[in-house]
Amino acid sequence: QQQVKQSPQSLIVQKGGISIINCAYENTAFDYFPWYQQFPGKGPALLIAIRPDVSEKKEGRFTISFNKSAKQFSLHIMDSQPGDSATYFCAAHSGSARQLTFGSGTQLTVLP
Amino acid sequence: NAGVTQTPKFRVLKTGQSMTLLCAQDMNHEYMYWYRQDPGMGLRLIHYSVGEGTTAKGEVPDGYNVSRLKKQNFLLGLESAAPSQTSVYFCASRSTRQGYGYTFGSGTRLTVV
Repeated sequence: QQQVKQSPQSLIVQKGGISIINCAYENTAFDYFPWYQQFPGKGPALLIAIRPDVSEKKEGRFTISFNKSAKQFSLHIMDSQPGDSATYFCAAHSGSARQLTFGSGTQLTVLP
Repeated sequence: NAGVTQTPKFRVLKTGQSMTLLCAQDMNHEYMYWYRQDPGMGLRLIHYSVGEGTTAKGEVPDGYNVSRLKKQNFLLGLESAAPSQTSVYFCASRSTRQGYGYTFGSGTRLTVV
C-alpha cells in the first residue's frame, strides 16, 4: 500500500535546466510535506518542506508547488547543477500516526 | 555534535544468525525511527519510538524487534536473519519542539547470505 506515489523514477537533465519531480498522495490527514535529498552512501537530508495551507514555497533554486485539491505536490530545481545529482524523496507526515511516509524516490542526474 | 550515529556501517550475516543494530542520537530528540531502504521502494518504516521505554510497529515490522531503554539509543534486532532482510537500514530522530524535520544517520548496509 503506497500512500505517496512519486514520479519519475529517474531523470536526466542538462546543466542549467529545470528538474521537476512529482508526488501524489491519498491520505487527506497528511499535514506536512517534506522533500529529502540523498547522496550515495549517505542518509537522506531534509531539503525543503511545505504545509498544506501554502501553495508554494521557495528556497534558493528549490521550489515546492502544492495543489491541495488535486492531492499533488512537486519539487522544481531551477538552474540544475551537477552537484544536484542525487536521489530525491518526497514524503508526507501524518500527525496522528506520528510518522513519515516516503515516496519511492527519483534518481536525478544533471549532465555537465 | 555527532547527530545520529549508526553502528555498524556494514555487516554480512548468514541466514538464521541474529544481530543488533545500534542507533544513538545526541540531540535529546524524543522520537526515533528505523527505516529500511530497498531499490525502487523508498524508505519503509519498520518500528518507531515516541519516548524512552515505548515502541510501536511501522509498515514492515515482521522479523524485527526494537528496544529503547535509554532516550538517546534505539536498538533494532534481527532474531533470525533471512535473505529478504538484505537492505540498507536507516535510523532517524526528531524533536517534538522543532517541527517535523527528521535527522537521519548514515545507514547500515546489511547483507544476509
